[in-house]
Amino acid sequence: DIQMTQSPSTLSASVGDRVTITCRASQSISTWLAWYQQKPGTAPKLLIYKASTLETGVPSRFSGSGSGTEFTLTISGLQPDDFASYYCQQYDHCCSFGQGTKLEIK
Amino acid sequence: QVRLVQSAAEVKKPGASVKVSCKASGYTFTNYPIHWVRQAPGQRPEWMGWINGGNHHIKYSQNFQGRLTITWDTSANTAYLELSSLTYEDTAVYYCARVRSYPYFDSWGQGTLVTVSS
Repeated sequence: DIQMTQSPSTLSASVGDRVTITCRASQSISTWLAWYQQKPGTAPKLLIYKASTLETGVPSRFSGSGSGTEFTLTISGLQPDDFASYYCQQYDHCCSFGQGTKLEIK
Repeated sequence: QVRLVQSAAEVKKPGASVKVSCKASGYTFTNYPIHWVRQAPGQRPEWMGWINGGNHHIKYSQNFQGRLTITWDTSANTAYLELSSLTYEDTAVYYCARVRSYPYFDSWGQGTLVTVSS
């Protein structure tokens, strides 16, 4: 099984900040990686797939990069609606998720 | 508009089974696989398995082999998950999710809370 590890587990930031979340895979997954946003009591929402392709309707302040075993999700210019948990998911060998990063208001 | 609507919350005793449904609308049901993912309180999502409605191919995570059954009723546009021999560790929100092409999930059901309690 492919293990996914995110860092940090918790991130404190302010509106307008630029933040980066890292996701590492236990083996190479090429660019078969997705990112999701989840708010309490709701299902995850797809943000990015194939490591860097923005899902339709997702604001352009979200961006993804990486390949192989290391990936990043960047949010440029945090908005109040962005404070949530974020998960990476590999689908090279379906499927496994990172443990999540909780983005909190500083 | 793609919609996945799941059945209501369930409370089950240890050792029992639970069946969760996921009704799809807004797209051609058999063209897109449905996956099941669960999330225990405060934990990461955990992939459980999937079904391809077009060819009825099914794959289960090894973590659930022997306990999990995924089925599909094309006439009702509905997928089902049945999990048997429940333990307290099966307490979680169970989600169905649609796959558009590769297995990342572009649409999700609202989730079904399954609580295992004596």
